[in-house]
Amino acid sequence: SAVISQKPSRDICQRGTSLTIQCQVDSQVTMMFWYRQQPGQSLTLIATANQGSEATYESGFVIDKFPISRPNLTFSTLTVSNLSPEDSSIYLCSVSGLAGGSSYEQYFGPGTRLTVT
Amino acid sequence: AQSVTQPDIHITVSEGASLELRCNYSYGATPYLFWYVQSPGQGLQLLLKYFSGDTLVQGIKGFEAEFKRSQSSFNLRKPSVHWSDAAEYFCAVGANRGSTLGRLYFGRGTQLTVWP
Repeated sequence: SAVISQKPSRDICQRGTSLTIQCQVDSQVTMMFWYRQQPGQSLTLIATANQGSEATYESGFVIDKFPISRPNLTFSTLTVSNLSPEDSSIYLCSVSGLAGGSSYEQYFGPGTRLTVT
Repeated sequence: AQSVTQPDIHITVSEGASLELRCNYSYGATPYLFWYVQSPGQGLQLLLKYFSGDTLVQGIKGFEAEFKRSQSSFNLRKPSVHWSDAAEYFCAVGANRGSTLGRLYFGRGTQLTVWP
């Protein structure tokens, strides 16, 4: 399996500011995803992070609000911009297509718990 | 449209009792099916997966799941629950994207409480 780290693990931010979350994987992976888990809810896909090109966003999520970078095969960032209390959630990075491993498993990072005040 | 239904929001069982968590899916292509567990404050841990072959799959921590195509179901079972199994359980479905796994669709989760 992959070892995935996320930074920060949690943060409290004021409305109107932005938070950038980092996701680092210990192996090269084909696919990287960003999910949001609102309090008491299931996981919703925000976007697929594409290496060297713009991320692919799901309906209801836009690049201006959730800019994503993926400069290489092991790292991605998600920024949540212009924060509002509704953005208070857990943000999870996940990966699939692990080099040297199973291509058909998806692994998740520990998540970043964001609270907006 | 792809969807996953977990009809039970919350299940309570006594320690040592058997457990079955239900999952139904709707997916146009051949599904890749997963169960994940999330303990409080933790990320998601993969319990087991089904791609093809034997419809009864074994996972970690003594869990198993059975794929029933005719019922579009992938129920999770454990013969004897331990107090440490208390957590949130998510069923998910995905499909291959080229040579790897694409995005997953998740059910809303089932919260498991275990009484001592």
